[in-house]
Amino acid sequence: DTEVTQTPKHLVMGMTNKKSLKCEQHMGHRAMYWYKQKAKKPPELMFVYSYEKLSINESVPSRFSPECPNSSLLNLHLHALQPEDSALYLCASSAPGTSTYEQYFGPGTRLTVT
Amino acid sequence: KNQVEQSPQSLIILEGKNCTLQCNYTVSPFSNLRWYKQDTGRGPVSLTIMTFSENTKSNGRYTATLDADTKQSSLHITASQLSDSASYICVVSPYSSASKIIFGSGTRLSIRP
Repeated sequence: DTEVTQTPKHLVMGMTNKKSLKCEQHMGHRAMYWYKQKAKKPPELMFVYSYEKLSINESVPSRFSPECPNSSLLNLHLHALQPEDSALYLCASSAPGTSTYEQYFGPGTRLTVT
Repeated sequence: KNQVEQSPQSLIILEGKNCTLQCNYTVSPFSNLRWYKQDTGRGPVSLTIMTFSENTKSNGRYTATLDADTKQSSLHITASQLSDSASYICVVSPYSSASKIIFGSGTRLSIRP
């Protein structure tokens, strides 16, 4: 299984809502990532988890809260978002320690903040 | 500063024709260079991955080349199909920080019938 799954595919939320994005992989990867991608732009790294511990936070606002409950699952909790947070949110995973260190991306969640 | 630049920004070709996309990078040293295909609103899908010591890698109609001396890579698409319409992104993984891969801005390719 070489697949990263993300749910939901689409999400519309108001600025006062609380929602969560979910990412799952069963490739035995021990590094997982959240990216934000605006239209016609490359993905921007938000967070990196390595062996279930947060290793990189790219100065992301606290209204985004990541969580890694286990080695297969990654969540992104959303609260009090702004309209400019509307974007495609991508999850990725990789196997640390391999020579290629290739990141496998999920299909993304299209988030719209109203 | 580590950068990855791609050209052209966009490209339109007729179905069945070949095309070549370019990637210039300043990342050094690096672990690997990858080409991804990204359909609109979807996640990137890996096409090829090359380590610094490799010169070429093929995946079906896609062939990537790497010249580490000039810090250039290209992606050649043969006999294009309508389904090749997508953005193609060049990504370089710095040796010092494999987690923080560096994305190019991509080339938006449109295949016309």
